[in-house]
Amino acid sequence: EAGVVQSPRYKIIEKKQPVAFWCNPISGHNTLYWYLQNLGQGPELLIRYENEEAVDDSQLPKDRFSAERLKGVDSTLKIQPAELGDSAVYLCASSLVGGPHNEQFFGPGTRLTVL
Amino acid sequence: GDSVTQMEGPVTLSEEAFLTINCTYTATGYPSLFWYVQYPGEGLQLLLKATKADDKGSNKGFEATYRKETTSFHLEKGSVQVSDSAVYFCALGWGGLTGGGNKLTFGTGTQLKVEL
Repeated sequence: EAGVVQSPRYKIIEKKQPVAFWCNPISGHNTLYWYLQNLGQGPELLIRYENEEAVDDSQLPKDRFSAERLKGVDSTLKIQPAELGDSAVYLCASSLVGGPHNEQFFGPGTRLTVL
Repeated sequence: GDSVTQMEGPVTLSEEAFLTINCTYTATGYPSLFWYVQYPGEGLQLLLKATKADDKGSNKGFEATYRKETTSFHLEKGSVQVSDSAVYFCALGWGGLTGGGNKLTFGTGTQLKVEL
């Protein structure tokens, strides 16, 4: 079974440019999460989707960050415009809420460098 | 709010040494507790979990016991291997056996290096 897929794995951009990250969750998982992981820190939740609904986006900086999960499957996280402080790893995770094992499965992440 | 505190790394051990990584948490109520492991270049993987006080989670020789009285969930392994070198994250969550329906609150991670 394929795991959570994220692309790109690495992205280098200049500040003020836009950037987008893509996530394909494990097939059948209804819940999708985007986390931000700064260097030397643990992941912090940005947004959680249940199917196509964003049920927790309280930590998403809405002035520059946006996310969508069309059709309740793939998801895209966008930053526009990017700032130097956005350099971090962006992790996507998915889970099947209500199943016997509600474990969150993580993708490898996208490492963003803003110059 | 919820928080998780882990011992700082890196922790460097010789192969076959005993490992302890300390983890304490602050939360209102009794969350589920987890240890995740992150190998170089890979995503986080659930290592073990415990959902209530006095539960012991175990996997791949690693163990951790949910201690309500000390609000702790220390990770232990009796004999580490070079292949255990990774970053270990302690986390707490709510809502279900593995916190799948809600966010996880992570500690800062502890890097483990095991040398021959």
